[in-house]
Amino acid sequence: GEDVEQSLFLSVREGDSSVINCTYTDSSSTYLYWYKQEPGAGLQLLTYIFSNMDMKQDQRLTVLLNKKDKHLSLRIADTQTGDSAIYFCAERDAGNTGKLIFGQGTTLQVKP
Amino acid sequence: DTAVSQTPKYLVTQMGNDKSIKCEQNLGHDTMYWYKQDSKKFLKIMFSYNNKELIINETVPNRFSPKSPDKAHLNLHINSLELGDSAVYFCASGTGVATEAFFGQGTRLTVV
Repeated sequence: GEDVEQSLFLSVREGDSSVINCTYTDSSSTYLYWYKQEPGAGLQLLTYIFSNMDMKQDQRLTVLLNKKDKHLSLRIADTQTGDSAIYFCAERDAGNTGKLIFGQGTTLQVKP
Repeated sequence: DTAVSQTPKYLVTQMGNDKSIKCEQNLGHDTMYWYKQDSKKFLKIMFSYNNKELIINETVPNRFSPKSPDKAHLNLHINSLELGDSAVYFCASGTGVATEAFFGQGTRLTVV
């Protein structure tokens, strides 16, 4: 079945780069997403990548996709304390429903 | 001009009660979703409606009944609330075939 896995916790110093990793099982997924959830808040779509792309860059965010290994990563350059949040990786179900399958979330802690 | 809005944001109720959560989107999307986030932050889809038609119904107890009066609204009614129903419920909308899914701010339900 479909499954998305992430490491649970990452701690970095302010100004460093953060890399959050994700693996997924459904090779027919068309889109993969990164969402951010701040404490007590909803889910904010950060970025997404289409499955035929290897990389997507959006300001401080870089998404890398290794389709062969079914591995997705999110790199945040110059990490700030405001980046502290839970980051969710999600794959879009191959069907036409738009259903998202989420990983368990990675808590990013940014130390000053 | 909130894109996806849910009410209420917080809901505390006693076991056995019946409650509803409302969701509205002003994005013109055809598809709306309910997701449940448990105490470990794990997110899982519950239901999806496309143009008022139910298209996803995951293994959710039949105490949960979604209702979509029109494509801009998707409400969630829960009968006979149980302690285990305590969670954050997120509404989302998308176009089904498009890329993004936009989430509401969540409704934190606490059953006591």
